[in-house]
Amino acid sequence: DSGVTQTPKHLITATGQRVTLRCSPRSGDLSVYWYQQSLDQGLQFLIQYYNGEERAKGNILERFSAQQFPDLHSELNLSSLELGDSALYFCASSVADSNSGNTIYFGEGSWLTVV
Amino acid sequence: GENVEQHPSTLSVQEGDSAVIKCTYSDSASNYFPWYKQELGKGPQLIIDIRSNVGEKKDQRIAVTLNKTAKHFSLHITETQPEDSAVYFCAASRVTGGGNKLTFGTGTQLKVEL
Repeated sequence: DSGVTQTPKHLITATGQRVTLRCSPRSGDLSVYWYQQSLDQGLQFLIQYYNGEERAKGNILERFSAQQFPDLHSELNLSSLELGDSALYFCASSVADSNSGNTIYFGEGSWLTVV
Repeated sequence: GENVEQHPSTLSVQEGDSAVIKCTYSDSASNYFPWYKQELGKGPQLIIDIRSNVGEKKDQRIAVTLNKTAKHFSLHITETQPEDSAVYFCAASRVTGGGNKLTFGTGTQLKVEL
């Protein structure tokens, strides 16, 4: 158990709908990351937050947004869902954003199926 | 941006043999190289990492080597066991004050046969 908690574990929704994925980082971790894993794209970085502020952005669609709250939990909002958004969404966390490199721990993922 | 290539995509070894997975990266400024193991239905689990100021790191049966000049790094697993069967991902990142976004390789499905 990495200590990163994600909910829900599975979610089935229809095209055009909106869903919210939730993540609680490990105790003491200030950075939260979101990744998407699909068969054709592999593991793709979406976005990083550090202590409530956006710190790095990857290939995140405009239909997707995220935020990190004062209690450090994070939410990933996916809207106007398309079939191609079906994937495993991982949240990860690390202690701090530093130049020395730091271990990133992944949660078990939220499996999203769009029908 | 960074691009990470990983080979082979599948690897089958006999129990007790060694397994080697290789990755190359494109961004010479990358300075952090972790390896993750992902079992079916689970999230990636860090097994070992190396930073650019180190050429080799070992942890029991697992070792990683880094060649900065050639921009490649490798994972070595010795005395493989059935529980080593999983998908292994290499990754690279340039850790700066701006963040630590990992670029992953495409994964290697390792199967350890009895």
